[in-house]
Amino acid sequence: EVRLVESGGGLVKPGGSLRLSCAASGFAFNDYTMNWVRQAPGKGLEWVSSIGKSGYMYYADSGKGRFTISRDNAKNSLYLQMNSLRGEDTALYYCVRGAFDSWGQGTLVTVSS
Amino acid sequence: DIVMTQTPLSLPVTPGEPASISCRSSQSLLDSDNGNTYLDWYLQKPGQSPQLLIYTLSYRASGVPDRFSGSGSGTDFTLNISRVEAEDVGLYYCMQRLDFPVTFGPGTKVDIK
Repeated sequence: EVRLVESGGGLVKPGGSLRLSCAASGFAFNDYTMNWVRQAPGKGLEWVSSIGKSGYMYYADSGKGRFTISRDNAKNSLYLQMNSLRGEDTALYYCVRGAFDSWGQGTLVTVSS
Repeated sequence: DIVMTQTPLSLPVTPGEPASISCRSSQSLLDSDNGNTYLDWYLQKPGQSPQLLIYTLSYRASGVPDRFSGSGSGTDFTLNISRVEAEDVGLYYCMQRLDFPVTFGPGTKVDIK
């Protein structure tokens, strides 16, 4: 069974940083592109970032220069380092496998003073 | 960026009756290299993570009932539910993954009349 478990969310002040993690299991992690998608409270889905099997990274404009996606294939883990956080980054952040076929339960990031 | 739109945004349905949701993209989602159309459909049930229903235009994801079907071409797509069941309520999103940034439609809220 595919399992994606996010962690690292929390309350942070504007301008602060957080590092999200996603622990993957039940599949060959190093064979898949991995993604982060977020959902602001009461809003729709927004793609944040993707990292390919070879490590090539893609970012939405909203996170370019502030967010860094990375992966550790030895640990079957995906990460999202978020710096210079803003109120509009408040959202539930989902870890999503490959062609967006499996989603974690999400970790909530709240940016507020 | 490819812009995704959906109609309607709200859809009251009667159990046992058919239902359909339309999705339109601002440019063709056909990959001319392989003939695939990278349009997917997701259902987010209340309080849950999104789940993949239909991928690459018309392929049902594992475990998805055959009352769900996807169709369309180019820039116009439809999700059909042949006979709505009470468990089908929630938010339906279309998503394109032909190109980065991956983009989602605004969502269609389906509830029971």
